[in-house]
Amino acid sequence: DQQVKQNSPSLSVQEGRISILNCDYTNSMFDYFLWYKKYPAEGPTFLISISSIKDKNEDGRFTVFLNKSAKHLSLHIVPSQPGDSAVYFCAASDLNSGGSNYKLTFGKGTLLTVNP
Amino acid sequence: GEEVAQTPKHLVRGEGQKAKLYCAPIKGHSYVFWYQQVLKNEFKFLISFQNENVFDETGMPKERFSAKCLPNSPCSLEIQATKLEDSAVYFCASSLQTGRGGYTFGSGTRLTVV
Repeated sequence: DQQVKQNSPSLSVQEGRISILNCDYTNSMFDYFLWYKKYPAEGPTFLISISSIKDKNEDGRFTVFLNKSAKHLSLHIVPSQPGDSAVYFCAASDLNSGGSNYKLTFGKGTLLTVNP
Repeated sequence: GEEVAQTPKHLVRGEGQKAKLYCAPIKGHSYVFWYQQVLKNEFKFLISFQNENVFDETGMPKERFSAKCLPNSPCSLEIQATKLEDSAVYFCASSLQTGRGGYTFGSGTRLTVV
């Protein structure tokens, strides 16, 4: 049972436009959400996070929106740059998962391609 | 150092052989995590440590997998009697505190079981 879902395996956008990456979750106990970016042959790099008590967090070109009632979050990148081309993983943590407070549950990732 | 160092980068083992992977967390980070990524799919949590103590091992296949984080040594993940399905990239991550704000991941060890 996949608790974090990224339904779009890939997304292609033009440089300068907005990229919107989506993520849905099923576990209502998740209270913290993160986005990671991954280049080939490298480990994931932390990008931005949001707590369940907020609905928006912004950091430069990156904004994460959380809709708790819909169990949905999205990552907006604006303006998109060719260097943003990577796989983006959505992840969530569950404060009450049997004492293992902060292990992360990941989605399968979305490959973003930003075309010059 | 300021990076999580994983060795080796690549490891090939025949089915039934032992595999041992190493991870040096960032100095000062007290939490270490191991994740398995099979076929570029999602990362599967294996185990976490708080210093040398197991914090959460709910993801570990107990029969063949073991892990340690000993003082003044790299952490290790060992797979006894490897199987074809153990082929994956194994990522180690470390953090100052668990999870919040994101971990720092290493670049992974690609294990191929033939």
